[in-house]
This record gives sequence, structure tokens and C-alpha cells, in this order.
Amino acid sequence: DTEVTQTPKHLVMGMTNKKSLKCEQHMGHRAMYWYKQKAKKPPELMFVYSYEKLSINESVPSRFSPECPNSSLLNLHLHALQPEDSALYLCASSHGTIITETQYFGPGTRLLVL
Amino acid sequence: AQKVTQAQTEISVVEKEDVTLDCVYETRDTTYYLFWYKQPPSGELVFLIRRNSFDEQNEISGRYSWNFQKSTSSFNFTITASQVVDSAVYFCALSEAKVSGQGGSEKLVFGKGTKLTVNP
Repeated sequence: DTEVTQTPKHLVMGMTNKKSLKCEQHMGHRAMYWYKQKAKKPPELMFVYSYEKLSINESVPSRFSPECPNSSLLNLHLHALQPEDSALYLCASSHGTIITETQYFGPGTRLLVL
Repeated sequence: AQKVTQAQTEISVVEKEDVTLDCVYETRDTTYYLFWYKQPPSGELVFLIRRNSFDEQNEISGRYSWNFQKSTSSFNFTITASQVVDSAVYFCALSEAKVSGQGGSEKLVFGKGTKLTVNP
């Protein structure tokens, strides 16, 4: 089973709202990732968690706040977003923390910021 | 620096045609991994294949086949007898087997993707 789940599937929020994206995997993977994907572009890495600790932050603005409460769950807290933050947000996980491991992706959350 | 080039932005074929998606990569490392992912309109990236730099054997999985040639730094993907369900954006990606602090990138480097449309 290589399933990564993400909720919600769609999210519309205003620039003053606070919302959260959720990602879950039950494959025993120890690395989890957040990606942002704009239309007609490849995914861009935002954050990497390795053994529940933040290991990579790709200089993401502080209005995006990741959290890894346990080895199966990854959240992305959103606050005071801008319209240009509208995108598909993808979560992924991999068995190990070496970048050459295969990353398995969830279905994504389509975010629209008004 | 790592780089992945997918020169074909969009390809359109008629069902049952064979189609090849090109992927050319650049890396200074001798140990690296290559990946192909499929992204249908629903958005999820579906893992297709992972290949390390020491394994140049071609791979076949059903209607899918991959041709890895280190001499030309290419990892091309062929779909035989294409079907409408194959319509998607396909990404080729590269990662180097270096650990943090040794100059390697910790990121999976994606190509820009090729949008394949299979018409009935």
C-alpha cells in the first residue's frame, strides 16, 4: 500500500483566514515532504521532515508553518496568505531520509486565496 | 549542477499510437537516481519507475518501457499502444546520492514535464 492521503481536496480562503492542510501516511515512512505546484510547472519543494524533525526549509515565507505531530501525520498551517499562494499543495513521503528514496505523493489540496 | 530537460512541452497522439517522451539529464555525480512520475488531471503524482545510474538495463512494464542510456544522458519513456487514460503530464526527475554537506542537492530535481494527450 503506497497511499498518502490529503485533506481537504479543495480550499478557498481569504487573505486574513487561518487554515490548515493535513497529510497522512501509514506506510511507516520516516520522511515527509510539502511541495507547492503552480499551473503548468513542476512541483517545488517547500519543507522536509525527517524522523519528525524539520530538516529542510526552502526559504518558505513564515505565513506557511509546517508541523509534524507524529510519524504518520504532517500539517501545513496557513495564515495571511497572498493570492499568489494559490496553487496545488502536494504532500509526499518516503521510506528513508535519503533523497534517492522514492517519494510517494498524495492527491494534493487545491488552494485558492482570494 | 543537476538539471533535467524535457524538451517536449506537449505531445498529442491518437489512441493506439506509440509515443516516446524524452528526458535528458545533467549531473556531475557518478551515482544518481532517475524517476518518472505521471500526473493525471486529478493532480496526484503517480510513481512509475526509479532507476539507479549503475543499472542500464531497459525496463518494460506492460505497455510502458524505459530506455536508459548513460552515453547520451537520457532516460526516455515509451508508451506502446497508447490509451486515452494515458493522458497526463509526465515528469522526469533526478536525485544525486550525496549526503548533506557533501555538495549534493537534497532536492529531487524535476524536468518541466511533458503533457501527453491521447485522443480517441
